[in-house]
Amino acid sequence: EPEVTQTPSHQVTQMGQEVILRCVPISNHLYFYWYRQILGQKVEFLVSFYNNEISEKSEIFDDQFSVERPDGSNFTLKIRSTKLEDSAMYFCASSEEGRRNSPLHFGNGTRLTVT
Amino acid sequence: LAKTTQPISMDSYEGQEVNITCSHNNIATNDYITWYQQFPSQGPRFIIQGYKTKVTNEVASLFIPADRKSSTLSLPRVSLSDTAVYYCLVGDIGNTPLVFGKGTRLSVIA
Repeated sequence: EPEVTQTPSHQVTQMGQEVILRCVPISNHLYFYWYRQILGQKVEFLVSFYNNEISEKSEIFDDQFSVERPDGSNFTLKIRSTKLEDSAMYFCASSEEGRRNSPLHFGNGTRLTVT
Repeated sequence: LAKTTQPISMDSYEGQEVNITCSHNNIATNDYITWYQQFPSQGPRFIIQGYKTKVTNEVASLFIPADRKSSTLSLPRVSLSDTAVYYCLVGDIGNTPLVFGKGTRLSVIA
């Protein structure tokens, strides 16, 4: 079964540094998402992306965050200047286009630790 | 977005059937009901999705009454490996992003 893959599995960075989290969505999927989960808390929506542009974003997704699909396979989340409170699991997800009931397929996440 | 309410936690013995009910009183006409499973340090995994009546796959069944204001995920003969958090989500995936609630933490005991 095709999978969403995320790299790295764990990223440690110092406060103020930039990080890029990488995702390879399922190849025939055209909708892409980033969610995050702070330890012990809910899975929170960050942003959705379709046709090379952001379609929805949450209040969490401020100017420090950006997403990009630099080529035909990768989907990245960049945090420009990390803060301690950015420490969380970041999950990438993708879904098929054109099916209103298309479920999201999640990767296994990147654990970001900001020190 | 339809708000969902589900029990915070449930315990079950191995081999039993587990039913987790989710309330979604303000579900909209275009909304689907989707259940996800999440193990610690892993991403949510799609289990089952439905719009009305009953849906069954190799993992679970989903029962949705005619008014669609609630739904029940049924896991037959659970094993220890079914210990996880189960999320009920309601939404029109094509238009709005899915919002996760706190889920139901299922603990399966030997």
